[in-house]
Amino acid sequence: DAMVIQNPRYQVTQFGKPVTLSCSQTLNHNVMYWYQQKSSQAPKLLFHYYDKDFNNEADTPDNFQSRRPNTSFCFLDIRSPGLGDAAMYLCATSSSGLASKFFGPGTRLTVL
Amino acid sequence: DQQVKQNSPSLSVQEGRISILNCDYTNSMFDYFLWYKKYPAEGPTFLISISSIKDKNEDGRFTVFLNKSAKHLSLHIVPSQPGDSAVYFCAARDSGAGSYQLTFGKGTKLSVIP
Repeated sequence: DAMVIQNPRYQVTQFGKPVTLSCSQTLNHNVMYWYQQKSSQAPKLLFHYYDKDFNNEADTPDNFQSRRPNTSFCFLDIRSPGLGDAAMYLCATSSSGLASKFFGPGTRLTVL
Repeated sequence: DQQVKQNSPSLSVQEGRISILNCDYTNSMFDYFLWYKKYPAEGPTFLISISSIKDKNEDGRFTVFLNKSAKHLSLHIVPSQPGDSAVYFCAARDSGAGSYQLTFGKGTKLSVIP
């Protein structure tokens, strides 16, 4: 089945210790997104890739970076996690021109 | 400032009855609306959508109604089933921002009681 896969599902890191979350997709979609969702909040878009073009949201902190080495993979790097970065991180994909997105199961990040 | 509001954090409905989930928005540039369903430990799954040129879209037990003048949309589930118990997110696309940006509401947790 075509799908969006996120690894790991649960990640624990220490305050200030860099962490990388990964996302892969078998849908061959050209757009990939990273969302942050905190408890009882709406998912918040951090950035997206349209093919290789990176698009950062204006209010995404510099602490968050992303890489997309190929169509299938996308990474979220948090350079110096703070306690406020503890959240669920959702990866999503879509084909250009379509509003509906396919989401992965998410990675729950805990910062100690 | 929240542009998409789901004012009911939770809703309980008896199995077989109708579930109505509501969503209000403030941005008049929104031209496309989607509902997502999310089970625990899973990502949101697309459920149904509606374009701003329509006022109703139906897919099986799920119907979405759009009232543009009131900037309000609702999702009706008839009849409700226990498997419908999940968190439902309303999302909207800004026609000026392109298809990539969706603004989500905070979600409504639906519990269908057998």
